[in-house]
Amino acid sequence: TQLLEQSPQFLSIQEGENLTVYCNSSSVFSSLQWYRQEPGEGPVLLVTVVTGGEVKKLKRLTFQFGDARKDSSLHITAAQPGDTGLYLCAGGETSGSRLTFGEGTQLTVNP
Amino acid sequence: ETGVTQTPRHLVMGMTNKKSLKCEQHLGHNAMYWYKQSAKKPLELMFVYSLEERVENNSVPSRFSPECPNSSHLFLHLHTLQPEDSALYLCASSQVWTSGTYEQYFGPGTRLTVT
Repeated sequence: TQLLEQSPQFLSIQEGENLTVYCNSSSVFSSLQWYRQEPGEGPVLLVTVVTGGEVKKLKRLTFQFGDARKDSSLHITAAQPGDTGLYLCAGGETSGSRLTFGEGTQLTVNP
Repeated sequence: ETGVTQTPRHLVMGMTNKKSLKCEQHLGHNAMYWYKQSAKKPLELMFVYSLEERVENNSVPSRFSPECPNSSHLFLHLHTLQPEDSALYLCASSQVWTSGTYEQYFGPGTRLTVT
């Protein structure tokens, strides 16, 4: 069974601060996705990374896939209250139809 | 309609009722999923359908019964539920390739309350 561990589980910061969320596993994934979920809604896909070492930027968000395709990080620069939400990472299996989800990081950005 | 839609968005049912949740995907994907998300718990995968065949059933109680009549529609039939079944039920779809699965796209969920 593949597992993804996210850290930290909870993060509360002030507007304007920077933060990094980590997603780690001992397993290799064919791809890794990051989602953001708001209360009472479904997760919304932010990014997919597929190549070891790949870095993608989405405005103030920077996503990195580890060289060995076992881990990933999400860095947010100058966080804003609108960034508040549950951030989930998910790894795609090298075969089959499943994604393995991490437990999530609940981010709160205070004005 | 675009993406993945789910109806109803909210459902309150008694333990003796029978109801169904509906999911429809407009993305041309070949796999669909049901997840359960309880408060302060990670996503729990319930069922997976790939090419309209159920390929995974993660020890889900028989009071939950999925149905996938075609690649665009997925149902979750509910009967004699328990209060602990109250949760957000999420549907997702994806395109499964021989090289594996990439992103899944989620619907907005159905908030289920069992009284």
